[in-house]
This record gives sequence, C-alpha cells and structure tokens, in this order.
Amino acid sequence: QVHLVQSGGEVKKPGASVKVSCETSGYTFADYGIVWVRQAPGQGLEWMGWITPYNDKTRYADNLEGRVTMTTDASTNTAYMEMRSLRSDDTAVYYCAREFVRFGDYSYDSWGQGTLVTVSS
Amino acid sequence: DIQMTQSPSSLSASVGDRVTITCRASRSIGTYLNWYQQKSGKAPKLLIYAASNLQSGVPARFSGSGSGTDFTLTISSLQPEDLGTYYCQQSYNTPSFTFGPGTRVDLK
Repeated sequence: QVHLVQSGGEVKKPGASVKVSCETSGYTFADYGIVWVRQAPGQGLEWMGWITPYNDKTRYADNLEGRVTMTTDASTNTAYMEMRSLRSDDTAVYYCAREFVRFGDYSYDSWGQGTLVTVSS
Repeated sequence: DIQMTQSPSSLSASVGDRVTITCRASRSIGTYLNWYQQKSGKAPKLLIYAASNLQSGVPARFSGSGSGTDFTLTISSLQPEDLGTYYCQQSYNTPSFTFGPGTRVDLK
C-alpha cells in the first residue's frame, strides 16, 4: 500500500527558511514523480512544483522560482521541499503527492497528510 | 498557461439530490482533466482521472464527462459523506498541472 508521510508543522519568522520532508513507501520510489501543492488558509490548491526521483529533474511554478528547491534521497525514499525568504503569505498547508501516469494520463493518486507552515514574527 | 474556472463556487443540496459541477479550461485540453475531493482538514483525494475514469475505490455515484474545454462532475445521489470541496485539475500542460478554484458542496 502506498504511503506518503510528511514531517511535522513548523513556525518560522519572516525571512527564514523551511524544509519539509515526505517519506514514501509501498512502491518503487524512482518510478514516480513527486509534486508539491500548497493551500493557504481558506484558499484553493496551488501547484508548486515537481521532481522526478529518477534523475532529479525539477520544474517549479513561476511565482516560486528562485525561492524553492525540491530534492530527493533515494536511500530513504524521501522527497524534500525547501523554501527560502519566507513571507507571511507563505503560511499554508504544504502537501506532497505522487504523480501517477497511466496511458499518458497524469494524476495525483496518493497524498501526504499535509504540513502546516506558519510564518509569523 | 492554462487557466481553469469552476461553477458554481458553492452549492447547497439535500441528501439524494443530483449534483453537477462544471469546470472550464481556457483552451482545449482534450480529456486531460482530473477531479479531486477535499474534506475539511484532509488532503485531497483523486475521484476521476482522464475526464471520465473512476479512480479505484471511488463510489459509482460519482461520474465525469466532457472534453476540449468543458467538463462536468456529477454526483448522482448526494450522500452526507460527500460534503467538501471539489477541484478540477488540467493534466495537459505537463508537468504544471493547475487546479480550478474549487466548488464547495454542503447540505441544505
């Protein structure tokens, strides 16, 4: 059974950095991309970026380029999302999800439980 | 970039009602469209992929249709456990798969 388990909530001051982990199990880590999606309080889902553990190729949302870095550790089947220069509007629940591909169709079929990152002075 | 819109933004319905949610893409995306359900405080859950395919384990009262720019999610008989927010997602513009703004469903 596929599981994605994220690290615990964080409280950070403006200008700081945060690194969220997403430990996976139940499937071959290298065979599926990992995406990160965030949700500000009371708001919708925002796609942040994607990484493939196969070769660590990444793609980031234009509005986050330069502030976010996604990485993987194949030895522990874990994906990471680091965000720098945090602002108050980065306060959100951050989700990782597995990108599933079938016959050329992409979807996010398994999700982590979410990590609340609060940015406050 | 492909923009996604949804209507209505919220709706109230009774148990047993037929519920329909519409999603529109800013340009043609074929059938590269997914639907997710999110309950309060929980992660999203995949319901429908490729516009009309039911994800394993999802009740048959959920169905999806459409192609090109216009898509529909239908709940044939609303159940209390169906309350939450529903999001469409385009999966055409790989890998940046943007979401619609969501439709909140609650009980009348």
